[in-house]
Amino acid sequence: SQKIEQNSEALNIQEGKTATLTCNYTNYSPAYLQWYRQDPGRGPVFLLLIRENEKEKRKERLKVTFDTTLKQSLFHITASQPADSATYLCALFKSSASKIIFGSGTRLSIRP
Amino acid sequence: GAGVSQSPSNKVTEKGKDVELRCDPISGHTALYWYRQSLGQGLEFLIYFQGNSAPDKSGLPSDRFSAERTGGSVSTLTIQRTQQEDSAVYLCASSSPEGRVTGELFFGEGSRLTVL
Repeated sequence: SQKIEQNSEALNIQEGKTATLTCNYTNYSPAYLQWYRQDPGRGPVFLLLIRENEKEKRKERLKVTFDTTLKQSLFHITASQPADSATYLCALFKSSASKIIFGSGTRLSIRP
Repeated sequence: GAGVSQSPSNKVTEKGKDVELRCDPISGHTALYWYRQSLGQGLEFLIYFQGNSAPDKSGLPSDRFSAERTGGSVSTLTIQRTQQEDSAVYLCASSSPEGRVTGELFFGEGSRLTVL
């Protein structure tokens, strides 16, 4: 069955540094990959989508890459801030008619 | 309403009781999802409704779980004969037909279920 793994359960970095989160998947060939942010006690919030034919997507301080050969996506937050502290989830789907499946998430903490 | 609404926000029940969780999606959204999130875990897919198509029920963990969506809008997730392992936050999400281009899901705040 398909499996989505996100690197370490938790990541702690210094404010101002770049945070890099990893999403790996197996037994699946998604056409689309998304990243969501989830704060404690809240539902996830959509951040970015990247398609299989796109290598990289940027939005403000966020950058996402998608390598379908490695079956991996990297999510970068540059110039990180304490307000970026949250859990980040990657999600995959094949088409507009298919279900969206999520990884287990990485809890990111940015220390001042 | 402006967002996805879920009720109740918290539910404590005794083992063996049935529970119903309600989701009111954003008006006009044709797709509706139910996910389950256990403490510190990711989102476990349960069921997916898309318009008038037959729902994808492949994530329902047992026949104690069922869901329906009436009139293409409000959805109810029912758990019969609850067990302690059913304790989790149940999240509902919806997306618009245009949202299917990006797949952007709009989530509710979840229903926290505790089975004693």
